[in-house]
Amino acid sequence: LAKTTQPISMDSYEGQEVNITCSHNNIATNDYITWYQQFPSQGPRFIIQGYKTKVTNEVASLFIPADRKSSTLSLPRVSLSDTAVYYCLVGPEGSGAGSYQLTFGKGTKLSVIP
Amino acid sequence: EAGVTQFPSHSVIEKGQTVTLRCDPISGHDNLYWYRRVMGKEIKFLLHFVKESKQDESGMPNNRFLAERTGGTYSTLKVQPAELEDSGVYFCASSQDPSFGRSQYFGPGTRLLVL
Repeated sequence: LAKTTQPISMDSYEGQEVNITCSHNNIATNDYITWYQQFPSQGPRFIIQGYKTKVTNEVASLFIPADRKSSTLSLPRVSLSDTAVYYCLVGPEGSGAGSYQLTFGKGTKLSVIP
Repeated sequence: EAGVTQFPSHSVIEKGQTVTLRCDPISGHDNLYWYRRVMGKEIKFLLHFVKESKQDESGMPNNRFLAERTGGTYSTLKVQPAELEDSGVYFCASSQDPSFGRSQYFGPGTRLLVL
């Protein structure tokens, strides 16, 4: 599985847009990029997934450049409730040997300040 | 729709004792996963059930850990005997199909402390 590198922590004021970049230089052709969010004392929660270009949902946007060696999770106008750890995961989609294992790194701890 | 539930939420035991963790997946989810985060480390995969069968238990650390899923519904993870290094948070997740990523729903975790 491709190794991912992301910032250890970030601080942001309420109302700002937050961008968290993840590096995955060894991403494979059949790998997807998935981001999970984890609040304190809770399990991880899926927020967005993409393969290339841009994906947007009601929670976030995911930007993936053409070479796919990095990706950026964008959270628009964060609030205090967005304080959490954000994990970038890379791996193949669909059933296949080992593809059901989610591999978590250390994540990025986002703190939103009033 | 009820989410993945885990019991207990916290457990404190002494080294050498036995502890059994329980996970109730989302109804209708055939796939059930166990993960854990030991102190200061990353969340690691332990094993994967498809219904009552173990699909992959490559992440189980040693034979002190026994996972079961009788009848393909809830699952238990027993640690016997518990060691200090088993302390951490044990997460259960479930999904309708074994696809990667979006379809895994996590429970809140069981926090285990071995003294």
